[in-house]
Amino acid sequence: EIVMTQSPATLSVSPGERATLSCRASQSVSSNLAWYQQKPGQAPRLLIYGASTRATGIPARFSGSGSGTEFTLTISSLQSEDFAVYYCQQYNNWPTFGGGTKVEIK
Amino acid sequence: EVQLVESGGVVVQPGGSLRLSCAASGFTFDDYTMHWVRQAPGKGLEWVSLISWDGGSTYYADSVKGRFTISRDNSKNSLYLQMNSLRTEDTALYYCAKGSRLLLLDYFDYWGQGTLVTVSS
Repeated sequence: EIVMTQSPATLSVSPGERATLSCRASQSVSSNLAWYQQKPGQAPRLLIYGASTRATGIPARFSGSGSGTEFTLTISSLQSEDFAVYYCQQYNNWPTFGGGTKVEIK
Repeated sequence: EVQLVESGGVVVQPGGSLRLSCAASGFTFDDYTMHWVRQAPGKGLEWVSLISWDGGSTYYADSVKGRFTISRDNSKNSLYLQMNSLRTEDTALYYCAKGSRLLLLDYFDYWGQGTLVTVSS
């Protein structure tokens, strides 16, 4: 099983600031990495796939980068609706998720 | 518009059985691999199982292997999860999720709202 590790567990950011979330794989997953956003009481929503391709309707302030074992999700200027939990998921092998990063208001 | 609507979640005793359903609409159901993903209360996401477009291939997480069975009925645009020998650690919100392509290993581009399974005596 490929273990996905996200850091930090919690990120406190002020609106308008930049947020950088990290995801590390225990072995290479190539670019087979997706990011999801989950708000309380809602299902996860796909943000990024292929490590860097935004899903349909996702604003340009969300960007993904990385390959192999190290990945980053960047939110360039946090809006109020972006405060949520973010998960990475690899699909190079049987799917596994990271433990999540909660982005909270500072 | 893609819609996935899960049902069947209830409170069940340890050792019991349950069948979850997912009704799909808004896309050509038999063009895609389908998945179940679960989330224990206050916890992260865990992939549970997948089924290929034609039902010919199924795979399971080790945590449920031998106890859960995934199936689909393409004529009814429906996905199922038969859950046997339930344990307290199976308590979770169960999501039906659509794979983005025919590939088995994939990301999930649409999710249902989930159905809650509680295993408790």
